[in-house]
Amino acid sequence: EDKVVQSPLSLVVHEGDTVTLNCSYEVTNFRSLLWYKQEKKAPTFLFMLTSSGIEKKSGRLSSILDKKELFSILNITATQTGDSAVYLCAVYNDYKLSFGAGTTVTVRA
Amino acid sequence: DSGVTQTPKHLITATGQRVTLRCSPRSGDLSVYWYQQSLDQGLQFLIQYYNGEERAKGNILERFSAQQFPDLHSELNLSSLELGDSALYFCASSVIQGGHGYTFGSGTRLTVV
Repeated sequence: EDKVVQSPLSLVVHEGDTVTLNCSYEVTNFRSLLWYKQEKKAPTFLFMLTSSGIEKKSGRLSSILDKKELFSILNITATQTGDSAVYLCAVYNDYKLSFGAGTTVTVRA
Repeated sequence: DSGVTQTPKHLITATGQRVTLRCSPRSGDLSVYWYQQSLDQGLQFLIQYYNGEERAKGNILERFSAQQFPDLHSELNLSSLELGDSALYFCASSVIQGGHGYTFGSGTRLTVV
């Protein structure tokens, strides 16, 4: 069965801190790894990673994939209260996304 | 607004009842996916349709069924509801079968009492 494991489950930081979120996976027919941010409702897309070692960046967020070791990290630098959310890692195989349980990030002012 | 429309937004019903959740995909998207998100399970894939045909099934209970209509909207039917079926039900759509770039709807929150 496909497995996606995220750690930590939750963390609390102060504004300006840097956070690192982890995602490890075991899936058959891996195609890509995706990161989503979920606030109160629908998950919103952040990144899609398909190649090892290539960092994707968007503002203060960045992510990298290691296909040999089967994991990815998501970094958020200079955190703001608006970064408070659940961050979901998902792995895409032939037909579906398998999601991890998510990491709840709380940023305190 | 993501372009994926789900109705209703909230639903409260009693155990044993049957409900229908509706999803209209983003314009041009042929694939529709249904996911269930409960507190203890995270987001679980239920079923996928592509251009009216069922293409993949995940952890969908026999009490649940879905279909995609010629106009590409989809319905998820949940019957003989149990307390444990209380969850957020998301629909997502993509252009092609097996597309990476899902767009999620805002979900239907189902509460079974």
